[in-house]
Amino acid sequence: GQQLNQSPQSMFIQEGEDVSMNCTSSSIFNTWLWYKQDPGEGPVLLIALYKAGELTSNGRLTAQFGITRKDSFLNISASIPSDVGIYFCAGLNNDMRFGAGTRLTVKP
Amino acid sequence: EAGVTQSPTHLIKPRGQHATLRCSPISGHTSVYWYQQALGLGLQFLLWYDEGEERNRGNFPPRFSGRQFPNYSSELNVNALELEDSALYLCASSLYANTEAFFGQGTRLTVV
Repeated sequence: GQQLNQSPQSMFIQEGEDVSMNCTSSSIFNTWLWYKQDPGEGPVLLIALYKAGELTSNGRLTAQFGITRKDSFLNISASIPSDVGIYFCAGLNNDMRFGAGTRLTVKP
Repeated sequence: EAGVTQSPTHLIKPRGQHATLRCSPISGHTSVYWYQQALGLGLQFLLWYDEGEERNRGNFPPRFSGRQFPNYSSELNVNALELEDSALYLCASSLYANTEAFFGQGTRLTVV
C-alpha cells in the first residue's frame, strides 16, 4: 500500500519559534494536503497542494509539494500556543492516505 | 453551507453486535472517505466511495463494509463488533477524486 513517512513524531518548542515537518513516500501523489487535529475533533484542512514544486502559504503556514511528487513539507513561523495539536500530511492518488502525524507542543 | 455531518456523535454497542455510522457530505461532493482512528493513533484508511461506487478499501476485515447512496451520503457498517473496534470513525468528502477533502466531527464508537 501507499506508505507516508511523517517526521518528526513530536516537537516541543518555545512560543515564537519556527516549526518544520515533512512527509516522504515511495509513491507518487497527485495532491498533498496538510491537516491539524485537536483532541476529539475531526482534522481541519490547512493547505492543499496540487502541482509539483508548488509553494503555498496560509498566514503563518507555508507548505511545498516536492518536485519528485513523493514528498511535502509544512513550516509554521512564529509559533503561538494555539498551534498546539497534531499535524497530519495526506497524499492523494485517487484514495487518500495519511502520515502518522506530528504532535506539536508549544511552551509559552 | 453545511459541512460534513456524521451521526451519531457517540455510539455504545455490546461486543458481537452491529453498528451503523452515517455521513452526509458537503453539498455537491461526490467522493466520501472513511477512516478509523484509535485513541492517540493516526488515521487508518477504511473505504473510499466515488459516484456511488466503492473505489478502494483499506486493510480491514470484510465485517467492515459500507455503501454510498444516490444522494452521495454514505454509511459504514461494522458487523460482529470486537472490543478493538472502539475508535473515532471519521468521514471526509471532496468535490471529486484527488481534490481537497473536508472532515466531519466523527463518530466515537465504544464497544463494551
